[in-house]
Amino acid sequence: GIQVEQSPPDLILQEGANSTLRCNFSDSVNNLQWFHQNPWGQLINLFYIPSGTKQNGRLSATTVATERYSLLYISSSQTTDSGVYFCAVLTGNQFYFGTGTSLTVIP
Amino acid sequence: DAGITQSPRHKVTETGTPVTLRCHQTENHRYMYWYRQDPGHGLRLIHYSYGVKDTDKGEVSDGYSVSRSKTEDFLLTLESATSSQTSVYFCAISGGSAGNTIYFGEGSWLTVV
Repeated sequence: GIQVEQSPPDLILQEGANSTLRCNFSDSVNNLQWFHQNPWGQLINLFYIPSGTKQNGRLSATTVATERYSLLYISSSQTTDSGVYFCAVLTGNQFYFGTGTSLTVIP
Repeated sequence: DAGITQSPRHKVTETGTPVTLRCHQTENHRYMYWYRQDPGHGLRLIHYSYGVKDTDKGEVSDGYSVSRSKTEDFLLTLESATSSQTSVYFCAISGGSAGNTIYFGEGSWLTVV
């Protein structure tokens, strides 16, 4: 199956800092999504972004499908941004997930 | 909220016993999925369904079976639970009003002792 790699695996930020999370995938995909898993385990959809750039408040995402990567930008981070961020790609009928980036934002 | 309910939310069971997890959805989504989440592995697909009585295996299907006898319910069965199946299980949906976006239920925490 397709390989999905996320980097960095762990990230610790001071509140107010900016960060970039990366998702690389090994083959062509039908779509790509970003998720945030909060400390209670809930998986929250952030972006559906098969290509191009989208922004939602302090978060934005860019996918360059031809080069097989996506980036998630978090600006002015807050403690509530803590958790694990996953990217998922769809190929055929199956979604494949990366192993995530664990983000800790300290006050 | 894509109208997904998982039950039970928490369960402790003994090795060798059968366990069934239920995923119920209320919005007529075509695709339903079962994932397990383990430290260091992210989310891995167990089985998925693309319609009533239409199911297929994912990457970690050994030891699991599924059934979808009606659109709204997707059942995951562990025929004889083992300690290696201790995990958090997530149901997900896509299709219909969700389009190509996948949405998750709140998870079922299963401990096999």
